Amino acid sequence: GQNIDQPTEMTATEGAIVQINCTYQTSGFNGLFWYQQHAGEAPTFLSYNVLDGLEEKGRFSSFLSRSKGYSYLLLKELQMKDSASYLCAVTPNNRKLIWGLGTSLAVNP
Amino acid sequence: NAGVTQTPKFRVLKTGQSMTLLCAQDMNHEYMYWYRQDPGMGLRLIHYSVGEGTTAKGEVPDGYNVSRLKKQNFLLGLESAAPSQTSVYFCASSPGASGRTDTQYFGPGTRLTVL
Repeated sequence: GQNIDQPTEMTATEGAIVQINCTYQTSGFNGLFWYQQHAGEAPTFLSYNVLDGLEEKGRFSSFLSRSKGYSYLLLKELQMKDSASYLCAVTPNNRKLIWGLGTSLAVNP
Repeated sequence: NAGVTQTPKFRVLKTGQSMTLLCAQDMNHEYMYWYRQDPGMGLRLIHYSVGEGTTAKGEVPDGYNVSRLKKQNFLLGLESAAPSQTSVYFCASSPGASGRTDTQYFGPGTRLTVL
C-alpha cells in the first residue's frame, strides 16, 4: 500500500530549531511537498523536493532522501506564529497526491 | 488576483437537504480538487477535474457529485446530506499534476454541519 508517516504532535520553544520528519512508502515517486496549515485556515504551500538534498528558503528548509523514503522540514529561529500543522504530501508516479495526517507543532514562549 | 475562493464559508443543513458548494479560481489552472478534512483523518480527496468538462472520483466520492462546466469553476453537490458529511471542505487548484506543477493552492474552506 501507499503510506506517509509523520509524528502527530511536537512542542518546541520560541527561538529554537525543530525538525519534523516524514517517511513515505509509495508506488513510484514524483516529488514531495510540505504545507503549513494554521488552525481554522487552509493549507499553504511551503516547499517542494524532487531531488536528494536540502532546499533552503529563509527560516525553513526541507530535506529529501529518495533512497530512504525520508524527508524532514527544518524550522529555525522559531516564532509563535509557526504554531501550526505541517503536512507532508507525496506524488507517486503521475497520480494524485498522497497526504500525511500532519504534525501539530506548538511553539511555547 | 483572488486565487481560490469558496462560497459559502459556513452552512448548517438538516439531514436530507441538498446544497451546492462553489469554488472559483482565477489562476487559469487546469486541475481542480475537492477535499474534506476531518479530525484524525487528514485531507481526503472527494472528486477532481483535469480540465473543463471533466470530472473523476477520488478517495471518498460517495454522496457527492461535481461539475466543471467552466474552467474557472468547480461545483460540489450534496444531494441528500447526512450527519457523516459534517466536515470542512476545501477546494484546491493546480497548474498540472506532475512534479512542481502539482503544487496545489487552496481556498479558505467551507465549514458544513449536518444536523
